[in-house]
Amino acid sequence: DSGVTQTPKHLITATGQRVTLRCSPRSGDLSVYWYQQSLDQGLQFLIQYYNGEERAKGNILERFSAQQFPDLHSELNLSSLELGDSALYFCASSEGKGHYGYTFGSGTRLTVV
Amino acid sequence: ILNVEQSPQSLHVQEGDSTNFTCGFPSSNFYALHWYRWETAKSPEALFVMTLNGDEKKKGRISATLNTKEGYSYLYIKGSQPEDSATYLCALTAYGGSQGNLIFGKGTKLSVKP
Repeated sequence: DSGVTQTPKHLITATGQRVTLRCSPRSGDLSVYWYQQSLDQGLQFLIQYYNGEERAKGNILERFSAQQFPDLHSELNLSSLELGDSALYFCASSEGKGHYGYTFGSGTRLTVV
Repeated sequence: ILNVEQSPQSLHVQEGDSTNFTCGFPSSNFYALHWYRWETAKSPEALFVMTLNGDEKKKGRISATLNTKEGYSYLYIKGSQPEDSATYLCALTAYGGSQGNLIFGKGTKLSVKP
């Protein structure tokens, strides 16, 4: 157990729907990162939050949004889902700004049918 | 756009073989280079983080080197075992607007046959 908790582990949903992925960071970590792993792609950075504020944005679609709450847990919202959004979504956390690496959760496998 | 290149994409070796993989990255704005080990159905696990040119790190049979001037890092596994089978990810932290987020390569998938 890495200390980073992601729920749910698996999610199957239909095109056009909206889902929310949840992440609880490791105790004491202030930064949360979201990554997407699609078939044949590396881990693609989506977005980073630090202590409740958005810090960096990567290749995140406008249909996707995220937030970090006062208790530091984070949610990634994916809307108007398309087949191509099927992927493994990872959350990671770090104590500071992450320059020295992060701890990953076990991921949420999203399948859009 | 920062790009991290890993080679080979996949590798099949016999138990007992030693092997190595390469990670290439842009040397400008370099801050840190990370190696992660990712077993199927598990989360990526940090192996090493290196920041200085010439850094060498070792953990058991696995070691890594860093050349920031030419922009590459090598990961070595000595005497591969079946339990070493995993995808090995390289990631870069750069100065500037990345705010510490890691840029990952696509990984090298290692399969070790008993």
